[in-house]
Amino acid sequence: GQQVMQIPQYQHVQEGEDFTTYCNSSTTLSNIQWYKQRPGGHPVFLIQLVKSGEVKKQKRLTFQFGEAKKNSSLHITATQTTDVGTYFCAGRYSGGGADGLTFGKGTHLIIQP
Amino acid sequence: NAGVTQTPKFQVLKTGQSMTLQCAQDMNHEYMSWYRQDPGMGLRLIHYSVGAGITDQGEVPNGYNVSRSTTEDFPLRLLSAAPSQTSVYFCASIRDRERARTGELFFGEGSRLTVL
Repeated sequence: GQQVMQIPQYQHVQEGEDFTTYCNSSTTLSNIQWYKQRPGGHPVFLIQLVKSGEVKKQKRLTFQFGEAKKNSSLHITATQTTDVGTYFCAGRYSGGGADGLTFGKGTHLIIQP
Repeated sequence: NAGVTQTPKFQVLKTGQSMTLQCAQDMNHEYMSWYRQDPGMGLRLIHYSVGAGITDQGEVPNGYNVSRSTTEDFPLRLLSAAPSQTSVYFCASIRDRERARTGELFFGEGSRLTVL
């Protein structure tokens, strides 16, 4: 089946440092979504990228979709303790069943004050 | 709106027992689904439904049954629980079946199941 690889699995940063997580697919995606899950919580939708080369910003978060629509990244500038959690990408493939979403395994962001 | 509501939040079962995880949404969403989340495995789709009376299997359906008699409810049944089914289960919905391939998932708060 289709797979979305997400790295790194864990990232420790000092508060105020930047953070980036990457997702990669071997085949073209129709779109990609990003979710955040706080410790003990449930995934919450952050954003969806659809167009090749698309860049979207939400305050300190920058999301990118690659030109070939096979990779994506989430960058957080100047992390804060409220950014702690696991960030998941979820890619959609054309012709995929159901909602067509294949989740990456997530990146756990750990922030040291 | 309460959104997506799951019960129970925590459950401990013995091997071989059966139980039902409840999921209800009050957003009139057509599409509903069940995921399981295991450490280091991300979220994996168990079963889904694009509307009342319609269900289908996802990536990991074995050992689970679902039904969709109403738009609001989508229960997940474990017929004979096994330790491998120890996991966190999330119910999620999307507004309508046409948007099922473009819309975002709204998740419930999760049900944490331990099978001994």
